[in-house]
Amino acid sequence: DIQLTQSPSFLSASIGDRVTITCRASQGISSHLAWYQQKPGKAPKLLIYAASTLQSGVPSRFSGSGSGTEFTLTISSLQPEDFATYYCQQLNSYPHTFGQGTKLEIK
Amino acid sequence: EVHLVESGGGLVQPGGSLRLSCAASGFTFNYYWMSWVRQAPGKGLEWVANIKQDGSDKYYVDSVKGRFTISRDNAKNSLYLQMNSLRDEDTAVYYCSRYGYNSGWFYFDYWGQGTLVTVSS
Repeated sequence: DIQLTQSPSFLSASIGDRVTITCRASQGISSHLAWYQQKPGKAPKLLIYAASTLQSGVPSRFSGSGSGTEFTLTISSLQPEDFATYYCQQLNSYPHTFGQGTKLEIK
Repeated sequence: EVHLVESGGGLVQPGGSLRLSCAASGFTFNYYWMSWVRQAPGKGLEWVANIKQDGSDKYYVDSVKGRFTISRDNAKNSLYLQMNSLRDEDTAVYYCSRYGYNSGWFYFDYWGQGTLVTVSS
């Protein structure tokens, strides 16, 4: 099974900050990676797929990059509604594993 | 507008069974693979199972193989998860999700609100 490791697991930041979350895969997955945002008590929301393609309706301050084994999710200027938990997921092979999550908190 | 609505969760004893349902609307159901994803209380997301458009291909995470069965009824626009031999560690919110695709890339683009399954004596 492919393991995904996100770093950091917790991140404290301020409104307007630029933040980057990293997701590392235990083996190459091409660009078969998606990013999701989840708020407490809610279902996850798709942000990015194919490592760098922004899902329709997602603000342009979100961006993704990477291929192979290393990927990043960047939020260019944090807004109040961005404080949530973020997950990466690989869809290269089964099982479609998720990273352990990165909780983004207000500093 | 796409809607996925899960039902069937509840409290069940270890070793028991439960059947989850997901009612889909707002898209052509039989065009898409569908999935179940779960989240234990306070934990991360875990993909559980996928099913092909016509039900001919199914994939499961190892921890549920032989105990859970994913199925669908395209005439009813419904997805199901039959869960047998339930264990404490199956306690989670179970989400139904559409397995979307675009130009060869896959992702889970729509999610239901989730249904809570609690396995406890």
